[in-house]
Amino acid sequence: GESVGLHLPTLSVQEGDNSIINCAYSNSASDYFIWYKQESGKGPQFIIDIRSNMDKRQGQRVTVLLNKTVKHLSLQIAATQPGDSAVYFCAENGDDKIIFGKGTRLHILP
Amino acid sequence: EAQVTQNPRYLITVTGKKLTVTCSQNMNHEYMSWYRQDPGLGLRQIYYSMNVEVTDKGDVPEGYKVSRKEKRNFPLILESPSPNQTSLYFCASSLGQGAGETQYFGPGTRLLVL
Repeated sequence: GESVGLHLPTLSVQEGDNSIINCAYSNSASDYFIWYKQESGKGPQFIIDIRSNMDKRQGQRVTVLLNKTVKHLSLQIAATQPGDSAVYFCAENGDDKIIFGKGTRLHILP
Repeated sequence: EAQVTQNPRYLITVTGKKLTVTCSQNMNHEYMSWYRQDPGLGLRQIYYSMNVEVTDKGDVPEGYKVSRKEKRNFPLILESPSPNQTSLYFCASSLGQGAGETQYFGPGTRLLVL
């Protein structure tokens, strides 16, 4: 069945290092992917998106990579800061339906 | 400020006592949706609405009702709440439902049903 999942439930990263959060999806028909950040006590916030006709998209300190061959999506955060501490989850949009992953909690170590 | 608002933010109730969680957006979005978020299960869609007077079931609609009488409001109704509806609820809106339409989420409503 369709599913969007994350490889690790928790990721701990040293402040200043780069973070890489991974996501796997199973619906080949998905043509749009989004990364959300959810801080404690808040709703999910849009970070960055990518369409299926792209392999890479960069934002401010964030980069999303899409590998359609293995149905893999990743979010890279450069120079991780304490404010990046949150749950990150991916979402895929295909067949007019959005499916969310379960999330990875990012811990920033001082 | 463009935003999605929900009320109340926190609610404790008892089994069987009808409740309504309101949702309002000021972005003139056509698409609105309700999700519940549970540990280990992520976000699951309850109901969604493509436009005024148009609503449809999501993945977990049992025990819930919605209405869309106005474009900006999309209340979630629990006619007879049960403990398994204890959860964190999010309302979201977007211009449309298709690819490329970013969803904007409200701050969440944490519900406890005793």
